[in-house]
Formats: sequence, structure tokens, C-alpha cells
Amino acid sequence: SAVISQKPSRDICQRGTSLTIQCQVDSQVTMMFWYRQQPGQSLTLIATANQGSEATYESGFVIDKFPISRPNLTFSTLTVSNMSPEDSSIYLCSVFEGYEQYFGPGTRLTVT
Amino acid sequence: SQELEQSPQSLIVQEGKNLTINCTSSKTLYGLYWYKQKYGEGLIFLMMLQKGGEEKSHEKITAKLDEKKQQSSLHITASQPSHAGIYLCGADSGTSYGKLTFGQGTILTVHP
Repeated sequence: SAVISQKPSRDICQRGTSLTIQCQVDSQVTMMFWYRQQPGQSLTLIATANQGSEATYESGFVIDKFPISRPNLTFSTLTVSNMSPEDSSIYLCSVFEGYEQYFGPGTRLTVT
Repeated sequence: SQELEQSPQSLIVQEGKNLTINCTSSKTLYGLYWYKQKYGEGLIFLMMLQKGGEEKSHEKITAKLDEKKQQSSLHITASQPSHAGIYLCGADSGTSYGKLTFGQGTILTVHP
């Protein structure tokens, strides 16, 4: 099974600033995904990040707010831009491998 | 869009007791994933079911996907405090791997 790490594990940020979250996988994977879990809520898919192409965003999420990079098959970043308190969430990186889907430990973001 | 409903929303049991969590879909399930989440952390992959009637077990946890492929159940035998956490079911869209829709989660508390 894929082993996923994320940095930072948590952060407290001021509104109006941006934070970049890193996701590292221990094997090469084609499909990587970014999910968000707002307080007390379940997970929602933000976007799909495939290497060599632009990220594909789900309804309600836009590139200007959540730019994503996927420079190679083991790494991706998600930036949360111009943050507001509503962006306070856990952000999780996920990969699909071998017909199974794995999630990273998450990045807990608090915006004040 | 597909919706998943989990029941119960929360469950408190005494150590040693058996329990069942259900996940009902508004549409046919093509792939159903079960995860466990500790509060504020990432998701731990438990099992993935694809075929109607399929049943998988890992240690004391068994998951089934019914024949009509619109409901799954997760059964824990002889529960232990280590089983405590949030159990989430996630459904594959059937059109794209990795794009999961999640239920709202079931909070399990196990009293020693």
C-alpha cells in the first residue's frame, strides 16, 4: 500500500495569507487527489492532480483559490490562497493505487 | 449526484460487544470503501468492496456489499477500545477512479 506524508501537519494562519501544503508518496502514482474536511463534516473532493496536465477541479473549487502543482509522479502541492476563516479545515492528499485508495495524515489548517 | 447515508450517526458500546454500521447509497455502488479516522487525523484504509454479495474481513472487522449493490455494512466482532474512532464509507463514482463521495461518518465509542 502507498505511504503518504504531508507537510505541514498543522498550521495557524492569518486571513489574507496563503499556505502551501506538500504531499509526498513513497511510490509513483498516476492519480493524486486533494480533499477537504471542514469541521464536523465529511470529506469533499477539491481536485484531481495528474502529472503532466492541469488539475481538474470539482464544482465549487477554482484554480485561483486552490492552485495545485504536480511536478512528478510522487509529489504534489496544494496552495490555499487568500485565506479566510471558512478555509479552516483538514486538507488531505489521496492516491489511487491498485484499485485501492489511500489518504495522507492530513494538514489541519486554522485561519484566524 | 450520489449520496451516502450512514447509520447510526454515533454508537456507544461496551468492550466485547458486537456492532454494525450501515452505509446506504442513493445509486448503485461500483466501489465501496471503508475507512477509519481518529479525531483530526487522516483516514486509515480498511476495505474495498466491488462485487455484489462480496464480503471481506480483516482481523475482527467484516464488511459486506449487498447483492443489489446499494448498501454496505461494517461489522465489528468483540469490540475493543482500539476500535474507537470515526468510520466513513466512500463510494466510487463508477466513471472516474479516486473521486469518492463520502457518508457523514459514524462515531464509535467503546467503553472498557
